[in-house]
Amino acid sequence: GDSVTQMEGPVTLSEEAFLTINCTYTATGYPSLFWYVQYPGEGLQLLLKATKADDKGSNKGFEATYRKETTSFHLEKGSVQVSDSAVYFCALRVYGGSQGNLIFGKGTKLSVKP
Amino acid sequence: NAGVTQTPKFQVLKTGQSMTLQCAQDMNHNSMYWYRQDPGMGLRLIYYSASEGTTDKGEVPNGYNVSRLNKREFSLRLESAAPSQTSVYFCASSEAGQPRGYGYTFGSGTRLTVV
Repeated sequence: GDSVTQMEGPVTLSEEAFLTINCTYTATGYPSLFWYVQYPGEGLQLLLKATKADDKGSNKGFEATYRKETTSFHLEKGSVQVSDSAVYFCALRVYGGSQGNLIFGKGTKLSVKP
Repeated sequence: NAGVTQTPKFQVLKTGQSMTLQCAQDMNHNSMYWYRQDPGMGLRLIYYSASEGTTDKGEVPNGYNVSRLNKREFSLRLESAAPSQTSVYFCASSEAGQPRGYGYTFGSGTRLTVV
């Protein structure tokens, strides 16, 4: 079945450090890929997305590129801030499948220290 | 622009009590979902409703029931609460199928403790 695997956390970085959170997927169809972010005490918010191979999603300084050959969608940011401390979820959605539901990874907690 | 509204935000129940979690969306979405979030487990789908009048089980449906009251509202009921149901519950909504790249909109969650 469809699944998402992302690196386990927690990840602790100093402010202005480079961030990579790895995400790989398995899908029976041609998925769209997403990164969601959950700030403390809040619900999930869409951070960025990509709908086809080689697409790059970007938002708030975060980027991720849809790599079909490696079935990956790694999240990167060049210089993290304390305000980026949150839990990040990678997800996929296969449209036209049995239900087309979003499939989530288990989340990676990021803590950024000043 | 409210999006997805969940009530209540916090709740403490005693074992064996019942309660209903409410969810409403104002985006005219067809599909609605209930998830629970536990430490180290990510998000697990409890039930979903692909369209008004239909509901289906997700990954962890035991101990829960749902009602799709109308297109806007999707409620989750715990008939006899157990400590294992202590969790954070999220409701979400989405447009079904097209267009590609359409994700979910989430509510802010209900933090439930069963003692």
